[in-house]
Amino acid sequence: DQQVKQNSPSLSVQEGRISILNCDYTNSMFDYFLWYKKYPAEGPTFLISISSIKDKNEDGRFTVFLNKSAKHLSLHIVPSQPGDSAVYFCAATYAQAGTALIFGKGTTLSVSS
Amino acid sequence: GAGVSQSPSNKVTEKGKDVELRCDPISGHTALYWYRQSLGQGLEFLIYFQGNSAPDKSGLPSDRFSAERTGGSVSTLTIQRTQQEDSAVYLCASSFMGASYEQYFGPGTRLTVT
Repeated sequence: DQQVKQNSPSLSVQEGRISILNCDYTNSMFDYFLWYKKYPAEGPTFLISISSIKDKNEDGRFTVFLNKSAKHLSLHIVPSQPGDSAVYFCAATYAQAGTALIFGKGTTLSVSS
Repeated sequence: GAGVSQSPSNKVTEKGKDVELRCDPISGHTALYWYRQSLGQGLEFLIYFQGNSAPDKSGLPSDRFSAERTGGSVSTLTIQRTQQEDSAVYLCASSFMGASYEQYFGPGTRLTVT
């Protein structure tokens, strides 16, 4: 059973608009969440993260929101740029050091100019 | 400094053959992880190494899969008697231990079993 779910396989957005990528999780014991970005033929690269004790973390154009009661997080990209077109993976883990990341299946974002 | 490197970048093998995939982590990173991504799926954890501790092998899908890490650095993932369902991109990641949970990924090895 999937513990981290990204229910939208794809998202298309116009340049300059907001992109909102969603992620749901089932395990309330997760206490750290991350977003990774992946271009074709490359490994995933870390984008932004959030601890379960926070509800928002912002880094430039990227903001992650966490709603623990709903077991839901979202990544907002504002403004979206064509270079943001990639696969975005949501991941969750536990606070203890060295635990593996549990990934969703990813959402393919396409930003058109 | 250099990032995580993996070799080969692509591997095509016949069903039943053994394959070895290599990972060079970032220098100084003590933790090393192997994941795989099958078509249309997310990244699936396989195995984790931390220093000289016994590895966490809980994600290995069968006993045909094994991995070792020599000298706390380079790691090799071995798949024996490959099957078509082993076809996937195999990704290696490394990280510092401590408060950061960020893992740094290599470009992956695309394995195709014919």
